[in-house]
Amino acid sequence: RKEVEQDPGPFNVPEGATVAFNCTYSNSASQSFFWYRQDCRKEPKLLMSVYSSGNEDGRFTAQLNRASQYISLLIRDSKLSDSATYLCVVTRLGGFKTIFGAGTRLFVKA
Amino acid sequence: GAGVSQSPRYKVAKRGQDVALRCDPISGHVSLFWYQQALGQGPEFLTYFQNEAQLDKSGLPSDRFFAERPEGSVSTLKIQRTQQEDSAVYLCASSPPRWETQYFGPGTRLLVL
Repeated sequence: RKEVEQDPGPFNVPEGATVAFNCTYSNSASQSFFWYRQDCRKEPKLLMSVYSSGNEDGRFTAQLNRASQYISLLIRDSKLSDSATYLCVVTRLGGFKTIFGAGTRLFVKA
Repeated sequence: GAGVSQSPRYKVAKRGQDVALRCDPISGHVSLFWYQQALGQGPEFLTYFQNEAQLDKSGLPSDRFFAERPEGSVSTLKIQRTQQEDSAVYLCASSPPRWETQYFGPGTRLLVL
C-alpha cells in the first residue's frame, strides 16, 4: 500500500461544475500537507497548503482531517484552465522527506 | 528572479552509459530535493540536501545513483551504468530556509535505450 493514496481519476466534468478530490495518508507522523498542480509535461507547482482548520483560496478549498488521515480539495465553478493533474503531498516529521500521491487527472470540458 | 533551472532538458543514453544531471536552485535556497517521476505517476523522492549536507538519501533506488552539492548551491545527480528502468523525468526542487513550499525546475527527461 502506498503511503499517500489518491482517487485514481480521471475526472471529466463540465465547466461550472464542483469537483472534489480525496487523499489518504498512512504515516501518522506526517507533518505538513499540500496540494500541487501539474500541467501536462510541466513541473509541479504549489496550489495550496492544507491545515486542520481548512483553508480557502478563491474557488479552491482544502481540508485536513488528522484523525482520519484524510485530505480533500474542492474546486468550485470549474474552468477549462483547471484541467491538470492534482497531486496530494505529505511531508514527514522533520520536514524534508516529501511523499507525493500518484495524482488525479481532471479534464474540464466546455 | 530566475527559477530553478535544470540541464540538460533531454538526455538519451545507451544502456550502460553514465549520465550527469545538473540542477541550479533559486539563489539563497537552502533546501534542495531530487525526484524521479515515471510516466503517469507522482514524483518519487530520491534525496534531500540542506546546504551541502545530504541529510536523506533513502529514496535513491540503487548504488548506481549518486547526488552531490559540494558548495551548497548547484547539485548534480549522477546515474552510473544506466538501465532502461532509469528512464523517467528527473525533477529538482528548492526551497528557502524555514519554508516548506518547493519550487520545481522543468525537469530532465532521460531515455535509456
